[in-house]
Amino acid sequence: AQSVAQPEDQVNVAEGNPLTVKCTYSVSGNPYLFWYVQYPNRGLQFLLKYITGDNLVKGSYGFEAEFNKSQTSFHLKKPSALVSDSALYFCAVRDRSGGYQKVTFGTGTKLQVIP
Amino acid sequence: SAVISQKPSRDICQRGTSLTIQCQVDSQVTMMFWYRQQPGQSLTLIATANQGSEATYESGFVIDKFPISRPNLTFSTLTVSNMSPEDSSIYLCSAADVYHEQFFGPGTRLTVL
Repeated sequence: AQSVAQPEDQVNVAEGNPLTVKCTYSVSGNPYLFWYVQYPNRGLQFLLKYITGDNLVKGSYGFEAEFNKSQTSFHLKKPSALVSDSALYFCAVRDRSGGYQKVTFGTGTKLQVIP
Repeated sequence: SAVISQKPSRDICQRGTSLTIQCQVDSQVTMMFWYRQQPGQSLTLIATANQGSEATYESGFVIDKFPISRPNLTFSTLTVSNMSPEDSSIYLCSAADVYHEQFFGPGTRLTVL
C-alpha cells in the first residue's frame, strides 16, 4: 500500500521569505512523486513531478522540490514567497512498478503568504 | 498537457433527482478518473472510467449510485443518482497517460437541497 503524509495543515510565511511545504511518502517500490496547487474554486494544477534522475526538480511558478530517498521525503520549496502563492498544496505519490497504479494524494497544506 | 473541461460548473439540485456531469479532454488519454472533494479537503477517488467497458469503482462507491460512461478516449460522464444532501461536494474529472501526471478539470460544485 502507498501513502502520503503532509504533516502541516497550514503554513504561514512572510512575503519575500523562503517557503517549504513538507511531504513524506511510503511505497513498496520506487515512486513517482507530484505536487499540485489548488486555488479557491478551481481544479488542481500540476506544479512538478519527480520520475527519475536529478533529485532537485524544478517546476512552474518558481517552485522546486527535492527528492530524498533515505528520508522518503519530497518537500516543496520556493526561495521567495509571493502573496499570489497563497493556495492549497497537495503532494501525491504513485508506485512506479507493475503498470498503472492509482495516485494517492495527501491531505493538503494551506499556504498563507502574509504581505 | 491535457486541457479538461467540465459541465456544468455548478448546480443546485433537489433531493431524489439525478445529475450528469460531463468531462471533455482536448486530446486522447489513456486513463480518466472521477474524484470527489469537500472544499479545502483532500481528494477521494470515486472510480476509474474505462473506455468501452464498465468503470472500476473504489471501496464505498457503487455503480447504481455513480454510473459512469466513457464512450471514447476524450469524453466521460458521471451521474450522481438519487441525490441526498450528503452528495453535496465538488466533483473533479481527471485524465492521464500511463506514465505521466494527472490533469484535472475545474470541477463541478454540487449542492443538494
